[in-house]
Amino acid sequence: LAKTTQPISMDSYEGQEVNITCSHNNIATNDYITWYQQFPSQGPRFIIQGYKTKVTNEVASLFIPADRKSSTLSLPRVSLSDTAVYYCLVVINTGGFKTIFGAGTRLFVKA
Amino acid sequence: GAVVSQHPSRVICKSGTSVKIECRSLDFQATTMFWYRQFPKKSLMLMATSNEGSKATYEQGVEKDKFLINHASLTLSTLTVTSAHPEDSSFYICSARDPGLTRNEQFFGPGTRLTVL
Repeated sequence: LAKTTQPISMDSYEGQEVNITCSHNNIATNDYITWYQQFPSQGPRFIIQGYKTKVTNEVASLFIPADRKSSTLSLPRVSLSDTAVYYCLVVINTGGFKTIFGAGTRLFVKA
Repeated sequence: GAVVSQHPSRVICKSGTSVKIECRSLDFQATTMFWYRQFPKKSLMLMATSNEGSKATYEQGVEKDKFLINHASLTLSTLTVTSAHPEDSSFYICSARDPGLTRNEQFFGPGTRLTVL
């Protein structure tokens, strides 16, 4: 399973765009890049998943360069409620393969 | 999206007792569920993979006789912490994948806060 590296913490202000970058140098051909969000005392929640280039949904965008050795989660116009821990994972997109979590990035949004 | 529930949400027990935590997939069937443990300010640590109708697969360092897992149906997995001690106090989270989805998205339960006195 590919290991991921992301910043331990980030601070931002309401209304700003936040970009969290994750390194996954050993990503395999069948791996997909997935991001989860976790609030205190809750289970993680899926945010977005992608394989290459750019993926956008109603809450975030995911940018993946051609070599796929890194990815950037972009949160547009964050609010106080986006304060959470964000986990970057690489997972095989077949079957029920286990998901291994890295340390995550603790995002703190200030007013 | 798919929903996974856990029961109880929090439990306090005396040292030496056993505690059972239930994980249910409410609107889908899950042949595989996962159990995690999370200590304060730390990431989730995968404990074991629960397989319906067969033995669970434990991660290295996790005692299978202490953390008993039973996956008797396609919607229910249970984790029993046997002879619990204060060091077992933690946040236990389960997850499952909806096989009806094409992407490998895990749906997580709300977690169970275990406090061992």
